[in-house]
Amino acid sequence: QQQVKQSPQSLIVQKGGISIINCAYENTAFDYFPWYQQFPGKGPALLIAIRPDVSEKKEGRFTISFNKSAKQFSLHIMDSQPGDSATYFCAASLAKTSNTGNQFYFGTGTSLTVIP
Amino acid sequence: NAGVMQNPRHLVRRRGQEARLRCSPMKGHSHVYWYRQLPEEGLKFMVYLQKENIIDESGMPKERFSAEFPKEGPSILRIQQVVRGDSAAYFCASSPRDTNYGYTFGSGTRLTVV
Repeated sequence: QQQVKQSPQSLIVQKGGISIINCAYENTAFDYFPWYQQFPGKGPALLIAIRPDVSEKKEGRFTISFNKSAKQFSLHIMDSQPGDSATYFCAASLAKTSNTGNQFYFGTGTSLTVIP
Repeated sequence: NAGVMQNPRHLVRRRGQEARLRCSPMKGHSHVYWYRQLPEEGLKFMVYLQKENIIDESGMPKERFSAEFPKEGPSILRIQQVVRGDSAAYFCASSPRDTNYGYTFGSGTRLTVV
């Protein structure tokens, strides 16, 4: 059972355009939603993250939009650049309690290609 | 700060052999996590360890897989009697404390079983 569903599987965007990647979840106990960026041959690197008490978080060209009622969140990359070409993963984790571990539930990834 | 170090980067094993994957956490980090990434899939949690303790192994296959994080030295993920289905990228992450906020991943070990 996929706890976090991600779309699209791949995305091609022109340089300067906006890249949008969407994720949906079912478990309302999730309380932390990071996005990771992964280049070929490398490990995932934290890009930006949000908690469900806010609807939007922006860091530079990267913005997370969060819709708690719809249980959806998305990553927007403004002014996309060829250097942004990578695989992007959304993830979610449960609120930390004595009975929960620290695991992340990852989406299946979106391969982004930004063409010059 | 060298980050999370994993070795080897690539490992080829024949079916039935043992695979040992090593992970040295970032300096000052005492919490280690192992994830497996199958082709075209996201990362799947395997196990969470602190020094000398397994905290959560809910994602570990029941047989052939084991993990340890000794008092001294790196964390080891051990796969006995490997099968082709074990071929994947195995990632280790570490954090400085018991938190799920943005821990740091290593570059992974790509295991190929032939």
